[in-house]
Amino acid sequence: KAGVTQTPRYLIKTRGQQVTLSCSPISGHRSVSWYQQTPGQGLQFLFEYFSETQRNKGNFPGRFSGRQFSNSRSEMNVSTLELGDSALYLCASSLEASLVYEQYFGPGTRLTVT
Amino acid sequence: GNSVTQMEGPVTLSEEAFLTINCTYTATGYPSLFWYVQYPGEGLQLLLKATKADDKGSNKGFEATYRKETTSFHLEKGSVQVSDSAVYFCALFYGNNRLAFGKGNQVVVIP
Repeated sequence: KAGVTQTPRYLIKTRGQQVTLSCSPISGHRSVSWYQQTPGQGLQFLFEYFSETQRNKGNFPGRFSGRQFSNSRSEMNVSTLELGDSALYLCASSLEASLVYEQYFGPGTRLTVT
Repeated sequence: GNSVTQMEGPVTLSEEAFLTINCTYTATGYPSLFWYVQYPGEGLQLLLKATKADDKGSNKGFEATYRKETTSFHLEKGSVQVSDSAVYFCALFYGNNRLAFGKGNQVVVIP
């Protein structure tokens, strides 16, 4: 079974621009979560989607948004990019949102904001 | 709130040495606990998990025991290999698919 895929793997953007990242979960997984990983803050939860609905949101500004499609694929968008948004963005999928199921992570998208 | 604390700093050791990485947590209730590993340039891989007190998770020679009395989930391996060099993250699951991660520990195994 194919793992979680994320595209693109690398992105370079300029301050003020916006960016869209994509995540395709493991087949059959309906929950997708997004995390931001930086050297200073570590891994931080952004938001989680299940059946096209945002169930949870972390403590990030409104510039960070996401959505999930009917095939469970998810996108996250960051508008008005800031230098501090440079990070590795990881998505993870799991089989069910209501129980403790393992989250399977993709390889991440490395975003650099200049 | 829900949080995880890992010991500070990288861990450097020789091949076949014993590895311990400390992890303590703060949480309401009885969260499930995980160890994830991240190899260079890759995402996180689930290494092992424990869902209730006194559970022992194990995988690939790594072990961790869920200790409710000390709120700890320390990772151990009896004999490390160069291929175990990676960053290790302790995490707790606190509902609706949210994981809280520790800061991670870089492990470097020298041949």
